[in-house]
Amino acid sequence: NAGVTQTPKFQVLKTGQSMTLQCAQDMNHNSMYWYRQDPGMGLRLIYYSASEGTTDKGEVPNGYNVSRLNKREFSLRLESAAPSQTSVYFCASSPQGGPGELFFGEGSRLTVL
Amino acid sequence: RKEVEQDPGPFNVPEGATVAFNCTYSNSASQSFFWYRQDCRKEPKLLMSVYSSGNEDGRFTAQLNRASQYISLLIRDSKLSDSATYLCVVIHNQGGKLIFGQGTELSVKP
Repeated sequence: NAGVTQTPKFQVLKTGQSMTLQCAQDMNHNSMYWYRQDPGMGLRLIYYSASEGTTDKGEVPNGYNVSRLNKREFSLRLESAAPSQTSVYFCASSPQGGPGELFFGEGSRLTVL
Repeated sequence: RKEVEQDPGPFNVPEGATVAFNCTYSNSASQSFFWYRQDCRKEPKLLMSVYSSGNEDGRFTAQLNRASQYISLLIRDSKLSDSATYLCVVIHNQGGKLIFGQGTELSVKP
């Protein structure tokens, strides 16, 4: 059972470089989310997509863009990476547009030098 | 003030001990509450929902106190495998966004 799959799992970037984190879920969930996790800060919501074709900003959207490519896929793009974006990124999905259990991917560890 | 606050710990307890974590939330419009568990360098996973009347799942008991705006998680007869970080999650009625606490680290020692 794949669940939520994120790629890449590890990435090192130089300041100013761009990259896209990919996320796909095979559970037919409507909602998908991108979080970042930093020591002492907990998980913070970057962007979310309540359903295919919609995206909304979360708590910390600056410096990121997202695309809900179809129901399965939700990508996160860093256009010009900064050291402050060094973090662990988690993609998640849930079966309903509102409250409910989140299913997380294994995380993507990004370091920006 | 953070919307959801937890004591980061770490809580170091011996096997067999009972340990309790609290989590406070600031938004009185919060409607749904959960505890997630996160093992070191892994993704968070749902441990249990928290119902108004309190609920139990084996050695784990969750309670909600709306008047004081906190939820709690009690773990009885701690096992080594309970060592993890426990995340409190609160959902507001408006928008349905999940707000995570920073987590409480538990270390169970032999």
